[in-house]
Amino acid sequence: NAGVMQNPRHLVRRRGQEARLRCSPMKGHSHVYWYRQLPEEGLKFMVYLQKENIIDESGMPKERFSAEFPKEGPSILRIQQVVRGDSAAYFCASSPSWDRKANEQYFGPGTRLTVT
Amino acid sequence: GENVGLHLPTLSVQEGDNSIINCAYSNSASDYFIWYKQESGKGPQFIIDIRSNMDKRQGQRVTVLLNKTVKHLSLQIAATQPGDSAVYFCAENEDTGGFKTIFGAGTRLFVKA
Repeated sequence: NAGVMQNPRHLVRRRGQEARLRCSPMKGHSHVYWYRQLPEEGLKFMVYLQKENIIDESGMPKERFSAEFPKEGPSILRIQQVVRGDSAAYFCASSPSWDRKANEQYFGPGTRLTVT
Repeated sequence: GENVGLHLPTLSVQEGDNSIINCAYSNSASDYFIWYKQESGKGPQFIIDIRSNMDKRQGQRVTVLLNKTVKHLSLQIAATQPGDSAVYFCAENEDTGGFKTIFGAGTRLFVKA
């Protein structure tokens, strides 16, 4: 059973370009979470999605950032008009359900975004 | 508060010794706590969790202690091994009807051979 897959692993964008980060959850998982991590810091929650639904986006910046998890295909985190401050590692996690008794999130290897 | 822009606290232990990593959490309403291990260049890996109706939980070589009175969480690693070298994060979660896991700033563990 493959784990959470993220691609690309490394992404370099110039200021003003768009960044698209992809996350394929573990097989059988229908819940996806995105986090951002700056160097030497903990992970910051961004958004929680189920298939075709955004459940909690309280951690998403109001502008330029969007996320989706379509019925088919991976979850996408999109950053428009990137700025240097967007440089970070972006992690995706998935879980089988919103079952807090189980509540294990399996993390992917992350995408390291560098904005030049 | 958050250690924005500060270096991670570091714990250095001798191989074979026990390690204790501490964490203060912020939200009195949090009722579920998790410890994660993150190795360089990788995503966080679940280690152990504990609910607020417990004060201690043991896993394989790891023990988590929860003190709700002072909002303190600790992770004890027995017989620390070089492979335990990593950054360790505590995380908290509350049942608000939505979902948000709040991560602490992390502690870097160095194991000396």
